[in-house]
Amino acid sequence: DTGVSQNPRHKITKRGQNVTFRCDPISEHNRLYWYRQTLGQGPEFLTYFQNEAQLEKSRLLSDRFSAERPKGSFSTLEIQRTEQGDSAMYLCASSSGGPMYEQYFGPGTRLTVT
Amino acid sequence: EDQVTQSPEALRLQEGESSSLNCSYTVSGLRGLFWYRQDPGKGPEFLFTLYSAGEEKEKERLKATLTKKESFLHITAPKPEDSATYLCAVRKRSQGNLIFGKGTKLSVKP
Repeated sequence: DTGVSQNPRHKITKRGQNVTFRCDPISEHNRLYWYRQTLGQGPEFLTYFQNEAQLEKSRLLSDRFSAERPKGSFSTLEIQRTEQGDSAMYLCASSSGGPMYEQYFGPGTRLTVT
Repeated sequence: EDQVTQSPEALRLQEGESSSLNCSYTVSGLRGLFWYRQDPGKGPEFLFTLYSAGEEKEKERLKATLTKKESFLHITAPKPEDSATYLCAVRKRSQGNLIFGKGTKLSVKP
């Protein structure tokens, strides 16, 4: 299967700890996106990369959040000093840069902050 | 402000009972409208992209249509396996990200 993969699938952490998630996009896709989804809501955009360049960041992305995509391949999303409000599903998606622009999502990482 | 509104929030159908889900949007400079299906605990699964008013796309029992202000997802003779949350999203010409609605949770009873 060559879809988007995310690790870990589940993460439970204590408030104040740092966590890091990884996303591996579809291999030929040069665009990578991070979204956050809470119960009963649609995904909310966090940030977006084209190759290794971070092109857009949402106002939702506080200073405690940082994302990287070294070498334009996989990406990591780090949350520092986690808060209970950070509990959510973190979704990664990838797309090609062509005219179709469909974003294909991974299975997500479920974060629970206790 | 850019907004995507889906209705109804939840829909219960009997197997074989056709219906439609609505997605209305207020966005300046629409690049495309997207429909996704999401099963509990999983990531959204891409269904359709619509780019211009009047466009229609079909896949099995699903048909998506687009006007200048809204999109409909028509479900013909649904089966229990069609039960899921259906998400609508729009993309603006000036941005790379998608703006999602809250979704419609569809339940199809046998």
